[in-house]
Amino acid sequence: GQQVMQIPQYQHVQEGEDFTTYCNSSTTLSNIQWYKQRPGGHPVFLIQLVKSGEVKKQKRLTFQFGEAKKNSSLHITATQTTDVGTYFCAGPPSGSRLTFGEGTQLTVNP
Amino acid sequence: DAEITQSPRHKITETGRQVTLACHQTWNHNNMFWYRQDLGHGLRLIHYSYGVQDTNKGEVSDGYSVSRSNTEDLPLTLESAASSQTSVYFCASSRTGTTEAFFGQGTRLTVV
Repeated sequence: GQQVMQIPQYQHVQEGEDFTTYCNSSTTLSNIQWYKQRPGGHPVFLIQLVKSGEVKKQKRLTFQFGEAKKNSSLHITATQTTDVGTYFCAGPPSGSRLTFGEGTQLTVNP
Repeated sequence: DAEITQSPRHKITETGRQVTLACHQTWNHNNMFWYRQDLGHGLRLIHYSYGVQDTNKGEVSDGYSVSRSNTEDLPLTLESAASSQTSVYFCASSRTGTTEAFFGQGTRLTVV
């Protein structure tokens, strides 16, 4: 079955530093989604990428979808303490269900 | 406002007992999902449903069952709870034809 892998598993940064997490799928994806889960909270949808090579920005967050539609990245510029949490990528193997990566847990030291 | 709610939020049960976790959504979404979250494994799909009377097994369905008698609810039952089922369980829903998922607050289940 489809596998979605994320690296790194953990990332500790100083406030103001940049952060990137990478997502790789074993199969081509029709789309990829990113979710954020705050400590003790539930996953919350951030964005969906559909097109090959697509790049989308949300303020300090930049999301990319690879040309082959098998990988993606999330980059945060100048992290803030509010960015703390676990970031998950997810892709649909088929239908409407999602396969999630293991997530990257981000901690930000003030 | 439409929402998705899970109950209970926390539960402790004994090995061998049957346990049911509730999930109720008011978005009128046809798609509903149950995931479990464990350290190092991310979110793993247990069961899912695309509509009333439709249920499907996910990647970690052994020991779990679901039923879908109406659009709003997808209860998850652990037939005979095991310590390996200690986890945080999330219910989610999405609209037909889409994959953007809306998650409930989660249920922390401890099996002792």
